[in-house]
Amino acid sequence: DFQVTQSPSSLSASVGDRVTITCRASQSITNYLNWYQQRPGTAPRLLIYATSNLQSGVPSRFSGSGSGTDFTLTISRLQPEDFATYYCQQSYTTPPITFGQGTRLEIK
Amino acid sequence: QVRLQESGPGLVKPSGTLSLTCAVSGGSINNTDWWIWVRQAPGKGLEWIGEVYHSGTTRYNPSLKSRVTISVDKSRNQFSLKLRSVSAADTAVYFCSRIVAAKYYFYAMDVWGRGTAVTVSS
Repeated sequence: DFQVTQSPSSLSASVGDRVTITCRASQSITNYLNWYQQRPGTAPRLLIYATSNLQSGVPSRFSGSGSGTDFTLTISRLQPEDFATYYCQQSYTTPPITFGQGTRLEIK
Repeated sequence: QVRLQESGPGLVKPSGTLSLTCAVSGGSINNTDWWIWVRQAPGKGLEWIGEVYHSGTTRYNPSLKSRVTISVDKSRNQFSLKLRSVSAADTAVYFCSRIVAAKYYFYAMDVWGRGTAVTVSS
C-alpha cells in the first residue's frame, strides 16, 4: 500500500534554531507534496504547496524542497509562534489524498 | 476573501447519520473551486473524507465511500457532508476546506473552516 511517512514524530528545539522535518513517500510522487501547520485547537494552515512554493502570507523562514520520494520542510529561525504540529500531504496517488502522521514541534 | 463555517449537531447516536454543513462567505460556491471535508479524531492526524465541485462531481476516500455523501447547495452557497451508520470511530473534529482550480492537482487546501467537533455516543 502507498504510504507517506513523516519523521521525526516529535522534535524539541529552541527559539532561533533551524529545524528540518522529513516526509518520505513509498513511491515517487514527483513534486505533489504540500506542508501544513496546525496549532492546538485550530485548523491546519497551508504553508508550502507543490514541494517548494510558499503560500501567500507565510513567512520566508519556511521553505520546502525535495522530489520523487524524499521531501523536507525547513524552518530557518524558529519563532515562538512556530511551535505546532506539521503535516505533509500528497496528491499524486489518489484517491485518497493522504497526510503524513504529523510532527509535533515543541519548545526545548 | 473566502471564509468557511461548519455547522451541525455536536452529538450523534451510534448507527445514526452525521450531517454537517459548510457555509461559504466572501465568494461563490459556483466558481472554479473545489470543496473539501477533512476530519481529525482526538489526538490523531488528518483524514481526507472527500470533495465536491459545484457541478456536483464528487470523489471520496475509499475507506468511507460506502457511507459518505457530499453535496452542494448553490441556492444557499454551502456544501454538506452526510456520514451514515456512524460509530465511535467517527468521533472527530470535522473541517471544511477549499482548493482553487489552479492548485487542484497539487491539492493545496488554502482556506479552512475552524472545524466542528462531533461525538458519536448514545
